[in-house]
Amino acid sequence: AQSVTQPDIHITVSEGASLELRCNYSYGATPYLFWYVQSPGQGLQLLLKYFSGDTLVQGIKGFEAEFKRSQSSFNLRKPSVHWSDAAEYFCAALMNTGFQKLVFGTGTRLLVSP
Amino acid sequence: DTEVTQTPKHLVMGMTNKKSLKCEQHMGHRAMYWYKQKAKKPPELMFVYSYEKLSINESVPSRFSPECPNSSLLNLHLHALQPEDSALYLCASSQATDTQYFGPGTRLTVL
Repeated sequence: AQSVTQPDIHITVSEGASLELRCNYSYGATPYLFWYVQSPGQGLQLLLKYFSGDTLVQGIKGFEAEFKRSQSSFNLRKPSVHWSDAAEYFCAALMNTGFQKLVFGTGTRLLVSP
Repeated sequence: DTEVTQTPKHLVMGMTNKKSLKCEQHMGHRAMYWYKQKAKKPPELMFVYSYEKLSINESVPSRFSPECPNSSLLNLHLHALQPEDSALYLCASSQATDTQYFGPGTRLTVL
């Protein structure tokens, strides 16, 4: 089945600590991959994307993500988390489901402790 | 500039009302989308417009009626909604079938 999985519903990280959010996809090829962030009641902001080429992708706000084909993964990382990073993070993949559709994971809520 | 704007920001309506949501983008994108997002869930695709024509309707009830008056504007007309239709409605646009840019959303409450 074509799907995107984010295994962690919630993650709590201390401010200043490093962060890794996991994302796996199930698809017959390598899809276009995205990470979006959503603050409460707001729209989705694009953090970064991967289409092809260099498997380490840099994004906005100090985020990066690494694509690993062997693991069908696209994990999001940040070396030092700030309190303002607390939000919902969605991994998404553009997949052909009869048409090109952005398939979302269920999201990971990031909590930042002082 | 990757901005998609949506109005209104909040909307409260009764089940017999007719209202409209508006979305606008000036990035020259040729595809525009409506999504519905319930609390603590990812967005769910409702409609896709490509080159101002409706190309995808994800089995959305007819009480939701989309309209694309021109390449920059997308409307969602609402009529006879149910309380379970209360949600955040997101608009997005993309140049082709690639990166989608989202607006801030309209928080809809149906009484």
